[in-house]
Amino acid sequence: DQQVKQNSPSLSVQEGRISILNCDYTNSMFDYFLWYKKYPAEGPTFLISISSIKDKNEDGRFTVFLNKSAKHLSLHIVPSQPGDSAVYFCAAIWGSNYKLTFGKGTLLTVNP
Amino acid sequence: EAGVVQSPRYKIIEKKQPVAFWCNPISGHNTLYWYLQNLGQGPELLIRYENEEAVDDSQLPKDRFSAERLKGVDSTLKIQPAELGDSAVYLCASSLGSSGANVLTFGAGSRLTVL
Repeated sequence: DQQVKQNSPSLSVQEGRISILNCDYTNSMFDYFLWYKKYPAEGPTFLISISSIKDKNEDGRFTVFLNKSAKHLSLHIVPSQPGDSAVYFCAAIWGSNYKLTFGKGTLLTVNP
Repeated sequence: EAGVVQSPRYKIIEKKQPVAFWCNPISGHNTLYWYLQNLGQGPELLIRYENEEAVDDSQLPKDRFSAERLKGVDSTLKIQPAELGDSAVYLCASSLGSSGANVLTFGAGSRLTVL
């Protein structure tokens, strides 16, 4: 039973355009959500996070939106750059559990 | 500041052989995690340590997997005997604490191939 779902295995966008990566979750207990980025042969690196009490968090070109009623979050990258090409993992955690649960990831390719 | 260091980066063994992975977390990080990442999947937690205590090992297959974190710093993950299905990347991560606001820093991983 997958509690964090990334239904798009891959996404391709042109340089300079917006990239939107989506994530759905089923566990209403989740109270913190994170996005990690992973390059080949490297470990995942933290990108941005959002608490369940917020609906938006922005950091430079990266913005995460949370829609609790829909149990949905999205990561927007504007403008997209070729160096953003990587696998993006959505992850979630809830307080007393302390277990970070990951989605399967979405491979983003930004074409020059 | 050095990141999370893992070794070996790659290991190829025959089934039924033992294998061990080593992890050195970021200095001062009390919480250490071992994650398993299968091809095309997200990382899955195997075990979480708070200092030297394993506080969550519910996902660790204890019949063949073992882990230790002596003195609350370095950690070793062992598989004995290895099976074909154990081929995966084993990721170590560390954080200052366990709550959601504490970001995990991952190592580059140890890729295991069992023949």
